[in-house]
Amino acid sequence: DAGITQSPRHKVTETGTPVTLRCHQTENHRYMYWYRQDPGHGLRLIHYSYGVKDTDKGEVSDGYSVSRSKTEDFLLTLESATSSQTSVYFCAIRGDNQPQHFGDGTRLSIL
Amino acid sequence: QKEVEQNSGPLSVPEGAIASLNCTYSDRVSQSFFWYRQYSGKSPELIMSIYSNGDKEDGRFTAQLNKASQYVSLLIRDSQPSDSATYLCAVGGGSNYKLTFGKGTLLTVNP
Repeated sequence: DAGITQSPRHKVTETGTPVTLRCHQTENHRYMYWYRQDPGHGLRLIHYSYGVKDTDKGEVSDGYSVSRSKTEDFLLTLESATSSQTSVYFCAIRGDNQPQHFGDGTRLSIL
Repeated sequence: QKEVEQNSGPLSVPEGAIASLNCTYSDRVSQSFFWYRQYSGKSPELIMSIYSNGDKEDGRFTAQLNKASQYVSLLIRDSQPSDSATYLCAVGGGSNYKLTFGKGTLLTVNP
C-alpha cells in the first residue's frame, strides 16, 4: 500500500538474537516511522526519521535502534531481542503536509 | 504525556444505522486529526482527516472537530457489515509529523 514494503512479513526468533526489520518506500517521502501494536496498548511510536541520517526517539524506544542511510529505507534493529518485544511492527511514511500511510506490518515472535 | 482517549467499545449497531465513534485528546495545541480503519490482521487505513473546527463529509463518513472541547468524532451513516473493524483516532501536534493514537474502538455492524 502507498508504495511501502515491509520485510520480513513474519519472523520467529529466539531471545538474545539480533533482529532487523526493513521498511522500503518508493514515494520519496521525507518522513518515516516505526510503530509497534500490542493488545491493550494500541499503536505506539518507537522511532521516526525526518530525513537521511536524521532520526529521533518515540515513546517506546528502549531496546530499539534505527538507521536511515537512504531516503527509501528505514531499518529497525533489536540488538538483543526479548520476549517483551513480541509484537506487530508497522512502518509508516508521510510526505510534506500529508497524512501517514502504513505498510502491511511485520509479525515478530520472540521465543 | 499526550493522551488520546476513545470510547471503549465494543460498539454494535444494526445494518443501516448510524455508528458514532468518539475521541478526546489532551494536548491543546494539536492541529491535525485522523481516523484510521483497521480490519483484523491488517494495517491501519486512513479514512478521514480533519484540521479545522466543524464537520467534514466524505461519502457515508462525517468527521466532526471541536477544538475548544478537545473532541473529535466519526459518524458512519447507513452502516454496512463491511464497516466492521477497529477504528483508530490519531492526533498530531503543531509540527504535524508525529501522531498519538487512541487504543481504538471495535465496531460490529450486524446484518
